[in-house]
Amino acid sequence: SQTIHQWPATLVQPVGSPLSLECTVEGTSNPNLYWYRQAAGRGLQLLFYSVGIGQISSEVPQNLSASRPQDRQFILSSKKLLLSDSGFYLCAWKRVGRNQPQHFGDGTRLSIL
Amino acid sequence: SQQGEEDPQALSIQEGENATMNCSYKTSINNLQWYRQNSGRGLVHLILIRSNEREKHSGRLRVTLDTSKKSSSLLITASRAADTASYFCATDGESSASKIIFGSGTRLSIRP
Repeated sequence: SQTIHQWPATLVQPVGSPLSLECTVEGTSNPNLYWYRQAAGRGLQLLFYSVGIGQISSEVPQNLSASRPQDRQFILSSKKLLLSDSGFYLCAWKRVGRNQPQHFGDGTRLSIL
Repeated sequence: SQQGEEDPQALSIQEGENATMNCSYKTSINNLQWYRQNSGRGLVHLILIRSNEREKHSGRLRVTLDTSKKSSSLLITASRAADTASYFCATDGESSASKIIFGSGTRLSIRP
């Protein structure tokens, strides 16, 4: 069976510090991978998605970047965090093709001080 | 930009009653999906309805899709306290099957 791991679960970082959130998927090959951000009590904002190694689509101009160094690894990064980067970050995967559901990790709650 | 918008934003009902949530979207889709999120957790997929389907059932869930009105509804029958969660619709775009866009969600509270 497939599993998705996302860590850390919570993170407190000072403004201006770097960020690296990691997401890995097991039990499947060549998944589509996604990073979302969710503000408190709000919906999900698509940040990045990837259909293959090294292929990243950015949806929102911002202070963040994403990389996919391996087939089942998706990393969200920032060189200098802003207060507005606070939020709940969710990683998800789905099988390639139409009519496939997404499967989510448990999320990382990021607080910027 | 948001593709799906849920209505209402919040809903509080008595246990045992039915809960209906609606979703509207803007562009052509391959399918529409509903997800559930418990507080502080990731989303869990509930049901997927394809653009050529009009109604789908799964247990106590019933989903309808009206592509002419670009809208969908999620009905939860005989609600239970454990159904308390946020519910989101998401669309898989016709132009890009890889890009999934979520709505803003409905917060459902079930009163015991």
